[in-house]
Amino acid sequence: GQQVMQIPQYQHVQEGEDFTTYCNSSTTLSNIQWYKQRPGGHPVFLIQLVKSGEVKKQKRLTFQFGEAKKNSSLHITATQTTDVGTYFCAGSGGGFKTIFGAGTRLFVKA
Amino acid sequence: GAVVSQHPSWVICKSGTSVKIECRSLDFQATTMFWYRQFPKQSLMLMATSNEGSKATYEQGVEKDKFLINHASLTLSTLTVTSAHPEDSSFYICSAPRGQGTLNEQFFGPGTRLTVL
Repeated sequence: GQQVMQIPQYQHVQEGEDFTTYCNSSTTLSNIQWYKQRPGGHPVFLIQLVKSGEVKKQKRLTFQFGEAKKNSSLHITATQTTDVGTYFCAGSGGGFKTIFGAGTRLFVKA
Repeated sequence: GAVVSQHPSWVICKSGTSVKIECRSLDFQATTMFWYRQFPKQSLMLMATSNEGSKATYEQGVEKDKFLINHASLTLSTLTVTSAHPEDSSFYICSAPRGQGTLNEQFFGPGTRLTVL
Protein backbone atom coordinates (compact mmCIF):
# COMPACT_ATOMS: atom_id res chain seq x y z
CA GLY A 1 0.00 0.00 0.00
CA GLN A 2 0.90 3.62 -0.16
CA GLN A 3 3.60 4.71 2.26
CA VAL A 4 4.78 8.16 3.12
CA MET A 5 8.22 8.54 4.69
CA GLN A 6 9.34 11.69 6.43
CA ILE A 7 12.73 12.75 7.73
CA PRO A 8 14.23 13.76 10.02
CA GLN A 9 12.30 12.37 12.96
CA TYR A 10 13.23 15.39 15.04
CA GLN A 11 15.49 18.40 14.85
CA HIS A 12 16.88 20.84 17.36
CA VAL A 13 17.73 24.31 16.09
CA GLN A 14 18.81 27.59 17.58
CA GLU A 15 16.34 30.38 17.11
CA GLY A 16 17.13 32.11 13.84
CA GLU A 17 18.45 29.00 12.11
CA ASP A 18 16.69 27.42 9.18
CA PHE A 19 14.83 24.12 9.24
CA THR A 20 13.79 21.66 6.55
CA THR A 21 11.73 18.49 6.65
CA TYR A 22 11.45 16.08 3.74
CA CYS A 23 8.68 13.80 2.66
CA ASN A 24 8.83 10.92 0.20
CA SER A 25 6.01 8.75 -1.09
CA SER A 26 6.26 5.21 -2.42
CA THR A 27 3.70 6.09 -5.09
CA THR A 28 2.84 9.12 -7.20
CA LEU A 29 0.57 11.46 -5.30
CA SER A 30 -2.45 13.38 -6.43
CA ASN A 31 -1.68 16.04 -3.87
CA ILE A 32 0.24 16.53 -0.68
CA GLN A 33 -0.70 18.47 2.39
CA TRP A 34 1.29 19.80 5.30
CA TYR A 35 0.03 20.04 8.86
CA LYS A 36 1.41 21.41 12.09
CA GLN A 37 0.63 19.94 15.46
CA ARG A 38 1.56 21.82 18.58
CA PRO A 39 2.29 19.80 21.72
CA GLY A 40 -1.01 18.65 23.17
CA GLY A 41 -2.97 19.90 20.19
CA HIS A 42 -4.43 18.52 17.03
CA PRO A 43 -3.09 18.84 13.48
CA VAL A 44 -3.80 22.11 11.75
CA PHE A 45 -3.79 22.39 7.98
CA LEU A 46 -1.01 24.53 6.55
CA ILE A 47 -1.15 24.06 2.80
CA GLN A 48 -1.88 21.75 -0.08
CA LEU A 49 0.30 21.26 -3.16
CA VAL A 50 -1.19 19.82 -6.30
CA LYS A 51 0.96 20.63 -9.31
CA SER A 52 4.21 19.01 -10.30
CA GLY A 53 7.13 21.21 -9.27
CA GLU A 54 4.87 23.57 -7.36
CA VAL A 55 6.39 25.98 -4.86
CA LYS A 56 4.31 27.94 -2.37
CA LYS A 57 5.32 30.36 0.31
CA GLN A 58 3.66 31.42 3.53
CA LYS A 59 5.77 34.10 5.17
CA ARG A 60 8.86 32.22 6.39
CA LEU A 61 7.60 28.83 5.23
CA THR A 62 8.37 27.49 1.76
CA PHE A 63 6.70 24.35 0.46
CA GLN A 64 7.81 22.39 -2.58
CA PHE A 65 6.28 19.52 -4.51
CA GLY A 66 8.63 17.41 -6.60
CA GLU A 67 8.47 17.12 -10.35
CA ALA A 68 7.49 13.47 -10.10
CA LYS A 69 4.88 14.28 -7.44
CA LYS A 70 6.44 11.76 -5.10
CA ASN A 71 8.35 14.03 -2.75
CA SER A 72 7.89 17.30 -0.97
CA SER A 73 9.68 19.56 1.46
CA LEU A 74 8.89 22.24 3.98
CA HIS A 75 11.54 24.84 4.71
CA ILE A 76 11.32 27.37 7.51
CA THR A 77 13.63 30.36 7.31
CA ALA A 78 14.90 31.95 10.53
CA THR A 79 12.98 29.80 12.96
CA GLN A 80 11.20 31.32 15.92
CA THR A 81 10.11 29.72 19.18
CA THR A 82 6.54 29.82 17.93
CA ASP A 83 7.52 27.35 15.20
CA VAL A 84 7.88 24.60 17.78
CA GLY A 85 5.74 21.56 17.06
CA THR A 86 5.50 18.53 14.84
CA TYR A 87 5.18 18.98 11.12
CA PHE A 88 3.42 16.27 9.18
CA CYS A 89 3.19 15.76 5.47
CA ALA A 90 0.15 13.85 4.26
CA GLY A 91 -0.22 12.39 0.82
CA SER A 92 -3.27 11.53 -1.16
CA GLY A 93 -3.31 9.23 -4.15
CA GLY A 94 -6.70 10.48 -5.15
CA GLY A 95 -9.91 11.12 -3.31
CA PHE A 96 -9.91 12.20 0.30
CA LYS A 97 -8.02 9.30 1.85
CA THR A 98 -4.77 10.66 3.20
CA ILE A 99 -1.71 8.88 4.54
CA PHE A 100 0.42 10.76 7.03
CA GLY A 101 4.16 10.76 7.28
CA ALA A 102 5.77 10.04 10.64
CA GLY A 103 6.23 13.73 11.31
CA THR A 104 9.24 15.85 12.16
CA ARG A 105 9.36 17.28 15.63
CA LEU A 106 10.98 20.70 15.73
CA PHE A 107 12.60 22.05 18.85
CA VAL A 108 13.69 25.70 18.84
CA LYS A 109 16.07 27.00 21.47
CA ALA A 110 15.86 30.69 22.26
CA GLY B 1 -12.46 27.96 8.87
CA ALA B 2 -14.58 24.85 9.18
CA VAL B 3 -15.01 23.36 12.62
CA VAL B 4 -15.02 19.75 13.69
CA SER B 5 -15.86 18.88 17.27
CA GLN B 6 -15.20 15.74 19.23
CA HIS B 7 -16.76 14.49 22.41
CA PRO B 8 -15.58 13.64 24.94
CA SER B 9 -12.20 15.33 25.00
CA TRP B 10 -10.91 12.74 27.42
CA VAL B 11 -12.24 9.59 29.03
CA ILE B 12 -10.97 7.14 31.61
CA CYS B 13 -12.62 3.76 31.74
CA LYS B 14 -12.15 0.34 33.23
CA SER B 15 -10.89 -2.55 31.19
CA GLY B 16 -13.73 -4.40 29.49
CA THR B 17 -16.06 -1.45 29.11
CA SER B 18 -17.07 0.22 25.86
CA VAL B 19 -16.45 3.84 25.02
CA LYS B 20 -18.21 5.92 22.39
CA ILE B 21 -16.53 8.92 20.77
CA GLU B 22 -18.49 11.40 18.69
CA CYS B 23 -17.18 13.45 15.79
CA ARG B 24 -19.28 16.29 14.41
CA SER B 25 -18.78 18.67 11.53
CA LEU B 26 -20.35 21.85 12.82
CA ASP B 27 -20.70 24.07 9.81
CA PHE B 28 -20.45 21.76 6.82
CA GLN B 29 -21.67 18.38 5.73
CA ALA B 30 -19.26 15.50 5.53
CA THR B 31 -20.19 12.35 3.69
CA THR B 32 -16.78 11.01 4.61
CA MET B 33 -14.92 11.24 7.89
CA PHE B 34 -11.70 9.63 8.97
CA TRP B 35 -10.67 8.16 12.29
CA TYR B 36 -7.04 8.21 13.34
CA ARG B 37 -5.17 6.96 16.35
CA GLN B 38 -2.05 8.63 17.61
CA PHE B 39 0.26 7.13 20.20
CA PRO B 40 2.61 9.44 22.11
CA LYS B 41 5.24 11.02 19.91
CA GLN B 42 4.06 9.08 16.89
CA SER B 43 2.23 9.90 13.71
CA LEU B 44 -1.44 9.70 12.97
CA MET B 45 -2.38 6.21 11.92
CA LEU B 46 -5.50 5.98 9.80
CA MET B 47 -7.87 3.47 11.33
CA ALA B 48 -10.90 3.68 9.10
CA THR B 49 -12.92 5.73 6.69
CA SER B 50 -16.43 6.48 7.85
CA ASN B 51 -18.98 6.71 5.06
CA GLU B 52 -22.39 8.24 5.56
CA GLY B 53 -25.10 5.73 4.85
CA SER B 54 -22.79 2.78 4.29
CA LYS B 55 -20.28 0.59 6.05
CA ALA B 56 -16.97 1.96 7.18
CA THR B 57 -13.79 0.95 5.41
CA TYR B 58 -11.12 -0.29 7.80
CA GLU B 59 -7.38 -0.19 7.31
CA GLN B 60 -5.39 -3.37 7.42
CA GLY B 61 -4.84 -4.59 10.95
CA VAL B 62 -7.74 -2.66 12.47
CA GLU B 63 -10.41 -4.90 13.98
CA LYS B 64 -13.80 -3.79 12.75
CA ASP B 65 -15.61 -5.66 15.51
CA LYS B 66 -13.59 -3.86 18.13
CA PHE B 67 -13.78 -0.38 16.65
CA LEU B 68 -17.37 0.11 15.61
CA ILE B 69 -18.02 3.06 13.36
CA ASN B 70 -21.40 4.53 12.61
CA HIS B 71 -21.91 7.49 10.28
CA ALA B 72 -25.53 8.20 11.01
CA SER B 73 -25.84 11.60 9.40
CA LEU B 74 -23.94 14.05 7.23
CA THR B 75 -22.55 15.75 10.31
CA LEU B 76 -21.97 12.93 12.78
CA SER B 77 -19.72 9.90 12.95
CA THR B 78 -19.19 7.80 16.06
CA LEU B 79 -16.38 5.46 17.02
CA THR B 80 -17.11 2.90 19.71
CA VAL B 81 -14.18 1.11 21.28
CA THR B 82 -15.71 -2.14 22.49
CA SER B 83 -14.34 -4.11 25.42
CA ALA B 84 -11.52 -1.65 25.82
CA HIS B 85 -8.16 -2.81 27.17
CA PRO B 86 -5.13 -0.84 28.36
CA GLU B 87 -3.42 -1.24 24.98
CA ASP B 88 -6.31 0.72 23.44
CA SER B 89 -5.27 3.76 25.43
CA SER B 90 -4.42 6.39 22.86
CA PHE B 91 -5.35 9.72 21.34
CA TYR B 92 -8.20 9.28 18.87
CA ILE B 93 -8.72 12.01 16.30
CA CYS B 94 -11.35 12.36 13.63
CA SER B 95 -11.17 14.48 10.54
CA ALA B 96 -13.56 15.58 7.89
CA PRO B 97 -12.56 16.80 4.47
CA ARG B 98 -14.38 19.73 3.03
CA GLY B 99 -13.47 19.32 -0.54
CA GLN B 100 -13.79 22.50 -2.50
CA GLY B 101 -12.67 22.12 -6.05
CA THR B 102 -9.29 20.45 -5.92
CA LEU B 103 -8.62 21.45 -2.33
CA ASN B 104 -8.37 18.39 -0.12
CA GLU B 105 -8.15 20.21 3.18
CA GLN B 106 -9.01 18.10 6.16
CA PHE B 107 -10.34 19.60 9.34
CA PHE B 108 -9.42 17.76 12.47
CA GLY B 109 -11.33 17.45 15.67
CA PRO B 110 -9.55 18.33 18.91
CA GLY B 111 -9.07 14.64 19.71
CA THR B 112 -10.18 12.33 22.48
CA ARG B 113 -7.65 10.98 24.92
CA LEU B 114 -8.70 7.51 26.05
CA THR B 115 -7.15 5.92 29.10
CA VAL B 116 -8.13 2.35 29.90
CA LEU B 117 -7.27 1.20 33.39
